[in-house]
Amino acid sequence: NAGVMQNPRHLVRRRGQEARLRCSPMKGHSHVYWYRQLPEEGLKFMVYLQKENIIDESGMPKERFSAEFPKEGPSILRIQQVVRGDSAAYFCASSLGQGEGPQHFGDGTRLSIL
Amino acid sequence: RKEVEQDPGPFNVPEGATVAFNCTYSNSASQSFFWYRQDCRKEPKLLMSVYSSGNEDGRFTAQLNRASQYISLLIRDSKLSDSATYLCVVTLNQAGTALIFGKGTTLSVSS
Repeated sequence: NAGVMQNPRHLVRRRGQEARLRCSPMKGHSHVYWYRQLPEEGLKFMVYLQKENIIDESGMPKERFSAEFPKEGPSILRIQQVVRGDSAAYFCASSLGQGEGPQHFGDGTRLSIL
Repeated sequence: RKEVEQDPGPFNVPEGATVAFNCTYSNSASQSFFWYRQDCRKEPKLLMSVYSSGNEDGRFTAQLNRASQYISLLIRDSKLSDSATYLCVVTLNQAGTALIFGKGTTLSVSS
């Protein structure tokens, strides 16, 4: 499967735990974007990364959330000390380059906080 | 005012009907425009880009009016498989990084 791969598909955490969401972009893509879709809401941009660089994190909550895209391996969205309000679908997208081609989305990770 | 506004619907139409969705955006600096579809809150899939001159892809026609900051999508000869939520999407800068999504318009096509 050459598409955007996200795992896990579903993740359940208790309040106060950490959640790690992973995203492998499409083959040949070096730009990764994370979006969050809260229940009954539209998708909201969180962060845009290239390899080893955060380019735009204007949509990231100021606390508890971080993202990285290391030289090797997938992009990781990390949520520390999760709260009920973090329950959402988290989608990753990738593109060939900045402004090059459309963004292709992964299947998403559904995060549920107990 | 929301950055991208859409009528949430739902639009309930019979097979074969023609249906039109509208979308307005608030930032006049918006540069790129798209329609995506999302099935049952699965991943969004690009339906088509929207160009200033208007463009057509089979049964789908998209129009852009920059002066009114208005985008439309027309679906002709609706199929059952067209049932989905249609997302109006814009980007702010020429390079087109962050996508700004509307909440979507839900379409239900029945036989």
